[in-house]
Amino acid sequence: GESVGLHLPTLSVQEGDNSIINCAYSNSASDYFIWYKQESGKGPQFIIDIRSNMDKRQGQRVTVLLNKTVKHLSLQIAATQPGDSAVYFCAEETGGGADGLTFGKGTHLIIQP
Amino acid sequence: DSGVTQTPKHLITATGQRVTLRCSPRSGDLSVYWYQQSLDQGLQFLIQYYNGEERAKGNILERFSAQQFPDLHSELNLSSLELGDSALYFCASSVEGQGAYYGYTFGSGTRLTVV
Repeated sequence: GESVGLHLPTLSVQEGDNSIINCAYSNSASDYFIWYKQESGKGPQFIIDIRSNMDKRQGQRVTVLLNKTVKHLSLQIAATQPGDSAVYFCAEETGGGADGLTFGKGTHLIIQP
Repeated sequence: DSGVTQTPKHLITATGQRVTLRCSPRSGDLSVYWYQQSLDQGLQFLIQYYNGEERAKGNILERFSAQQFPDLHSELNLSSLELGDSALYFCASSVEGQGAYYGYTFGSGTRLTVV
């Protein structure tokens, strides 16, 4: 399948500011998208998901936006905290996961005090 | 602790050797997925098992194989190892065998270093 890409390898933000991490996907048949957080030495941890019939979904301090017209996904983290430092991946799934998840390259979010 | 247990956490071996990575899914999960994470390829899906049967296959090399046992734990076998096989290997589990929508939990991974 086609890969999901990320625009920036590193994003540095001030503690307390909002963070926006972007992702471009190329498979228009993908119907489910997930954002994962990966801390050093750990596996990917689910943050938030969205199905293709939605354009926005909110969680606790996080929001995912999906723009199918331009095949763009974003993760917004409100009031970024030191514990948010990690690598963030977007992932897409097509057809009920028959081909597993396709992950982007990841964005390393760095929180500055 | 995610509930998905992977052993060993670290493995160092020589080229040409064979290793076995083990994954125990969360209690109640029937499906196991294997992923490889390398610096150049990122996270890539290798293979999925559901209740003992192979369900889906991704970018898995012919030198690699996997199986899921009656107690639902899974093993990933890597043979004729090459330097390029050095990577983190993750296993994820889910209740259903129909993808991530029904919940996908990753283990902490096995770091394989081939020297």
